[in-house]
Amino acid sequence: EAGVAQSPRYKIIEKRQSVAFWCNPISGHATLYWYQQILGQGPKLLIQFQNNGVVDDSQLPKDRFSAERLKGVDSTLKIQPAKLEDSAVYLCASSPRLAGGPETQYFGPGTRLLVL
Amino acid sequence: DQQVKQNSPSLSVQEGRISILNCDYTNSMFDYFLWYKKYPAEGPTFLISISSIKDKNEDGRFTVFLNKSAKHLSLHIVPSQPGDSAVYFCAASGNFGNEKLTFGTGTRLTIIP
Repeated sequence: EAGVAQSPRYKIIEKRQSVAFWCNPISGHATLYWYQQILGQGPKLLIQFQNNGVVDDSQLPKDRFSAERLKGVDSTLKIQPAKLEDSAVYLCASSPRLAGGPETQYFGPGTRLLVL
Repeated sequence: DQQVKQNSPSLSVQEGRISILNCDYTNSMFDYFLWYKKYPAEGPTFLISISSIKDKNEDGRFTVFLNKSAKHLSLHIVPSQPGDSAVYFCAASGNFGNEKLTFGTGTRLTIIP
């Protein structure tokens, strides 16, 4: 079974530029998560999708971050414009369960973003 | 406001000995706790979990202990092996795992051969 795929793996941009990350979850997984992991901190949930609907985006900075999950499969996370403090690893995870059991979240390798 | 804290950023343990990783939490609404393991350039992988209705859960070499009154949990690995060298994250959730995860800052475990 293929794991969660993310691209690109690394991205360097200048502040005020825009950037987009892509995630392909494990086939058949209904729930998709985007996390932000700043250096020295644990992952922080940005947004959770269930199929193509948003379940929780309470920690997503909506003035600059946006995410979508068209057709309930792949997802993109966009930052526009980027700030220095957005430098982090962006992790995508998917889960086959609609609710409960966080241990069933499978994480991708992440995209490391550096904003200069 | 760090609701889940791992106060030791790093830990070194001799191969074959016991590794003990600690985690404290402040939110009394948390009732489900997990440990994740992360290797470099990979995403975290689930290791073991415990519900607040239990005080111990064991899976092979890994045991998690929960002390609800102290709001403290610990992960014991025995015996420690070189492949256990990784960053370990403690995470907590409410509503018995139905709410979003709050992660700690991680502890880097190094097993010395």
